[in-house]
Amino acid sequence: GAGVSQSPSNKVTEKGKDVELRCDPISGHTALYWYRQRLGQGLEFLIYFQGNSAPDKSGLPSDRFSAERTGESVSTLTIQRTQQEDSAVYLCASSSPGHENTEAFFGQGTRLTVV
Amino acid sequence: GENVEQHPSTLSVQEGDSAVIKCTYSDSASNYFPWYKQELGKRPQLIIDIRSNVGEKKDQRIAVTLNKTAKHFSLHITETQPEDSAVYFCAASLFSGNTPLVFGKGTRLSVIA
Repeated sequence: GAGVSQSPSNKVTEKGKDVELRCDPISGHTALYWYRQRLGQGLEFLIYFQGNSAPDKSGLPSDRFSAERTGESVSTLTIQRTQQEDSAVYLCASSSPGHENTEAFFGQGTRLTVV
Repeated sequence: GENVEQHPSTLSVQEGDSAVIKCTYSDSASNYFPWYKQELGKRPQLIIDIRSNVGEKKDQRIAVTLNKTAKHFSLHITETQPEDSAVYFCAASLFSGNTPLVFGKGTRLSVIA
């Protein structure tokens, strides 16, 4: 595709349920990032995938959060037993580090609301 | 890991004036410093970036300066226009991609016509 695609765009879930968020990065981008953005707040780093390296999970806020990436393509972020404080926009980005154009491109985000 | 501090959190300027946003980083190994602009309800988009082999980079009304010794970098916007109103984020990482992009908390810039 032409850009980073995320699905769903919006998700409303009940407290305690599990949710899966999907990110389709730009083809050929080896790096993929997940960030959380609460309303009016900054970009909170969650997890980073780069090529065949072990993912950097240092930003995951609790063991309810996990993410996977299949090769250098799709990634899913899973939140188990959702809590109201998980409500936020989850943004995915991809890039091609080390290249002249190393810009990280963001998807449109998934707005998660936990009720 | 990397920690990026950004100041100020909010900034109001008159149209035509200059705006300066400052960031500091903690990891002396970081060598790639992009700036992103996020308009209301939209995704962040890159406006300018700088690598540590240069001290300054300009693109029309936007410039970024880097002081590696002090571990700080700044965004300068001259002749501000209402359409510059947005939230601006600085970030730091390794250009090689061995570390993730870590962002500052953002600066909400308001340009008053």
